[in-house]
Amino acid sequence: KAGVTQTPRYLIKTRGQQVTLSCSPISGHRSVSWYQQTPGQGLQFLFEYFSETQRNKGNFPGRFSGRQFSNSRSEMNVSTLELGDSALYLCASSLVGSRTGAFFGQGTRLTVV
Amino acid sequence: AQTVTQSQPEMSVQEAETVTLSCTYDTSESNYYLFWYKQPPSRQMILVIRQEAYKQQNATENRFSVNFQKAAKSFSLKISDSQLGDTAMYFCAFMKQNFGNEKLTFGTGTRLTIIP
Repeated sequence: KAGVTQTPRYLIKTRGQQVTLSCSPISGHRSVSWYQQTPGQGLQFLFEYFSETQRNKGNFPGRFSGRQFSNSRSEMNVSTLELGDSALYLCASSLVGSRTGAFFGQGTRLTVV
Repeated sequence: AQTVTQSQPEMSVQEAETVTLSCTYDTSESNYYLFWYKQPPSRQMILVIRQEAYKQQNATENRFSVNFQKAAKSFSLKISDSQLGDTAMYFCAFMKQNFGNEKLTFGTGTRLTIIP
């Protein structure tokens, strides 16, 4: 079974631009969560989607948004990029109700210059 | 809100030795799950072990085991017969047990180095 796939692996963007990151969950997993990892703030929860609906949201500004498609694939978008948005963005998928834990992709390294 | 604390930023141990990583958490929930994740230099977060709070028995996965003390809100990870491949960041994580929640709250991590 394929794992969680995130694309692209690396991105360099300029301040003010917007970016879209993609995540394909493990087959059968309908919950997709996004996390931001930085050296200063550690791992912070962005949001979680289930059945195309956002169920939980972390404490991030409205510039951060996401969506989930009917095949459970998810995208997250960051608009008006700031230097502080430079981070590793991790996507995790889980089988709701099994409580086996979340399975992570390899992340997208975003650098804002 | 839940908080997870890992008080050991870095640890190192000789290959084949045993090492214990500490984690404490704070919550008002009575039902929850606890996890240890490993993040090697490749950045892939790998689930190491999980513990359900209602189970008194400590979870074990091969060389990895936990010491779960619910009253003390402590959840330490023991790695036996450590191997070079165990070198990684280790994160302790908390998840509330209720349908509709898949959010993980992470600690700040412990950087573990296995010395040959």
